[in-house]
Order: sequence, then C-alpha cells, then structure tokens
Amino acid sequence: ELKVEQNPLFLSMQEGKNYTIYCNYSTTSDRLYWYRQDPGKSLESLFVLLSNGAVKQEGRLMASLDTKARLSTLHITAAVHDLSATYFCAVDEEYGNKLVFGAGTILRVKS
Amino acid sequence: EAEVAQSPRYKITEKSQAVAFWCDPISGHATLYWYRQILGQGPELLVQFQDESVVDDSQLPKDRFSAERLKGVDSTLKIQPAELGDSAMYLCASSPDLVYEQYFGPGTRLTVT
Repeated sequence: ELKVEQNPLFLSMQEGKNYTIYCNYSTTSDRLYWYRQDPGKSLESLFVLLSNGAVKQEGRLMASLDTKARLSTLHITAAVHDLSATYFCAVDEEYGNKLVFGAGTILRVKS
Repeated sequence: EAEVAQSPRYKITEKSQAVAFWCDPISGHATLYWYRQILGQGPELLVQFQDESVVDDSQLPKDRFSAERLKGVDSTLKIQPAELGDSAMYLCASSPDLVYEQYFGPGTRLTVT
C-alpha cells in the first residue's frame, strides 16, 4: 500500500526567507503532483512531475522529483504573505491515476 | 476556461438523513473521481469512473455510500443514512483519460448534525 508523508506539517516563515517542504513516498511511482489549497477552497494544481530528475518552477515555487529516493521537494524562495496556504503532494498509485495524498503542509508567511 | 461544477456548495443535514451531491465534469473528460477530505487531512479517493464504468470503489463505504455516472457524463454521490463522521468536504475531479492530470471542482462542504 502506497504511503505518502509530508514534512513539516506546519511551517511558519518570515517574509523573504527560503524553505523546503519534503514529500516522501513508499512505492515506485514516476508521477507526482503538487497542489495548493486555500481555506475552504478546492485544490489548485501547481506542478506535475512525470519523470526522474524533473524540475519545474513557477514564480517563487520550485518542485523537483527524485524517483530513486522516492522524494519530491517544494522549495519556496523569498516567501511572501500570498503564499500562505496548505500544500499537498499526491502520488499516482499503480499508474491508474489513483492519487494518494500526503497530509498537507500548512504554510503561514508572516510579515 | 472549462471547470468542474459541483452542487450544492454547502449542505447541512441531520444524522440518519439521506444526502446527494452532483458533479458535472469538464466536457469531454472520460474519467471522473470523487474524493472525501476530512478537515485537516488530505483528500482520499472514494470512487473512480471511466465513462460510465466504475474503475475503483475500494474505499467507498458501500453500506451507506453509492455513486453513479449513468450516461458517462455527470455523476451523483449519495449517502444514506448520513452519520456524524461523514462531515467533510466532498471533491469531484475529472481528467481527459486515466493518464492525465486531474482538475478539481469547488467541492461540497457537508455538515452532519
């Protein structure tokens, strides 16, 4: 059974600082997704990572995938308040588009 | 831009009552998913459809939950009877096929009292 673990579960940052969220998973998969969720809202797709070594960047966020280590990272550069949200990673189990989600990382960026 | 539609957005119901949620996927998307997200947790897949057929419903509590997608387009998720533990956000998602990115709808927030 696929397990997806995120850490930290809660992250309080100062504006302008850098930090990384980690996503570990337990079985082989080449497809990993990162989502953002604002309170009471649905999931917004951030990144789709489809191969080992994939790296994608959008604004202050950069995601990478190491399938051999079964690890993905979401790096935040020079955080701003608008990045405050909950971030989820999700891994495709059995290549059937059955996503298993991590517990989420609550990010709070303080001014 | 095409979006997944869900209704109602909010539903309050009493324990033991029946409740139903509706989802209209993005036009042309063959695969439809229902997820349940308990507050403070990640979404959990309940059921996956490919056209009108169920691909996976292994996590669907079949004693009280049912889902259908009769014509392979929109879908209904029903709970009967509702229990307190069913309070959650119910998310619908769709994708063009089994290998493509999923797009999520706005969700239905269910509160069971």
